[in-house]
Amino acid sequence: QQQVKQSPQSLIVQKGGIPIINCAYENTAFDYFPWYQQFPGKGPALLIAIRPDVSEKKEGRFTISFNKSAKQFSLHIMDSQPGDSATYFCAATTSGTYKYIFGTGTRLKVLA
Amino acid sequence: NAGVTQTPKFQVLKTGQSMTLQCAQDMNHNSMYWYRQDPGMGLRLIYYSASEGTTDKGEVPNGYNVSRLNKREFSLRLESAAPSQTSVYFCASGPRVSVAFFGQGTRLTVV
Repeated sequence: QQQVKQSPQSLIVQKGGIPIINCAYENTAFDYFPWYQQFPGKGPALLIAIRPDVSEKKEGRFTISFNKSAKQFSLHIMDSQPGDSATYFCAATTSGTYKYIFGTGTRLKVLA
Repeated sequence: NAGVTQTPKFQVLKTGQSMTLQCAQDMNHNSMYWYRQDPGMGLRLIYYSASEGTTDKGEVPNGYNVSRLNKREFSLRLESAAPSQTSVYFCASGPRVSVAFFGQGTRLTVV
């Protein structure tokens, strides 16, 4: 019940395409869902996050879609660029707790 | 603004050796964390510290100890390293209860 299942494991898109990364969770107590971007040899960086009171959140070219009834959330990258090539992690937690549950990561490659 | 700084960046240990991974943040955050990252397993929480003077176990604490030396520094100690502890270790910090900023990681190999 504590797992966050992330898919796909890897993804290749052409420049300008819209990669979509999906995550699913079981624990209905989760109420904060961040996404992290990690470049090779670097630590993850917080990219964007959503709470279940909204169904969508946009920050620049990055959009999170949230489906509370299905217990799923997705990251969309609009007009993807080669510089977006990185590993993306979703996570989930319950507000007020310190324990984030991370997905296993999606390695994205955007071809020029 | 340096953010979260980890040392060392790379380390090779022999089985049974001990070492301490250092972490410091300059953002005045209360919360600090140690994670390990293994292929196909995402990030797993080892220990966290909600504030100076407090530490708590995470998901995979066995074989590790931590010290929150002051508000800035949070160290992770391996008392007797094992090959299963070969991993990339990340320190993170955040305001209140959040995981917002990560260090660049320590790649540890235990042979």
